[in-house]
Amino acid sequence: EIVLTQSPGTLSLSPGDRATLSCRASQPVSSSFLAWYQQNPGQAPRLLIYAASSRATGIPDRFSGSGSGTDFTLTISRLEPEDFAVYYCQQYGSSPWPFGQGTKVEIK
Amino acid sequence: EVQLVESGGGLVQPGRSLRLSCAASGFTFDDYGMHWVRQAPGKGLEWVSGISWNGGSVAYADSVKGRFTISRDNAKNSLYLQMDSLRAEDMAFYYCVKASGYHYFDYWGQGILVAVSS
Repeated sequence: EIVLTQSPGTLSLSPGDRATLSCRASQPVSSSFLAWYQQNPGQAPRLLIYAASSRATGIPDRFSGSGSGTDFTLTISRLEPEDFAVYYCQQYGSSPWPFGQGTKVEIK
Repeated sequence: EVQLVESGGGLVQPGRSLRLSCAASGFTFDDYGMHWVRQAPGKGLEWVSGISWNGGSVAYADSVKGRFTISRDNAKNSLYLQMDSLRAEDMAFYYCVKASGYHYFDYWGQGILVAVSS
């Protein structure tokens, strides 16, 4: 079973800053079946990135994903106020479909 | 517009049962796999269970295996989660989630709270 470890746990940044979030898998993720989700307080998660680097419909291009194998990265090029949220990675190549523990991006 | 609406949550005593339902609309329900994901208050996301488009394949997290049963009724565009022998640690918001054709989770319901307490 794949275990996903996200770092850092919390990222304190200012609007306009660049955010870099990491997701490391305990074993290679097949075919880059790695997704990223954003969750704002009191809301359901929403899909940001799938297949490691493909943006979901309607997601701004300031969000980008990269990586393969065991190391993946979500980058937010310039933080907007609505981007301060919790971000989760997930592998969806095979059962079970675990999530990372999340990275909280907070306003500095 | 894809809509997933959960129902059936609430307060239940430890050891009792509860059945969650999810009404789906805005897409061809029987074309896609579906999942349940939960989130304890203030905690992260935990995948709970998944079911294939025709119900022929199901999977469970170890934490609920043998106690929870996922099912679907394609004629009613509905997904279900039968939860038996509930424990305090099952208390969470439960989300109904649609899987895309490539299996990532592309649409989420708003979630429903299951509280387990005596």
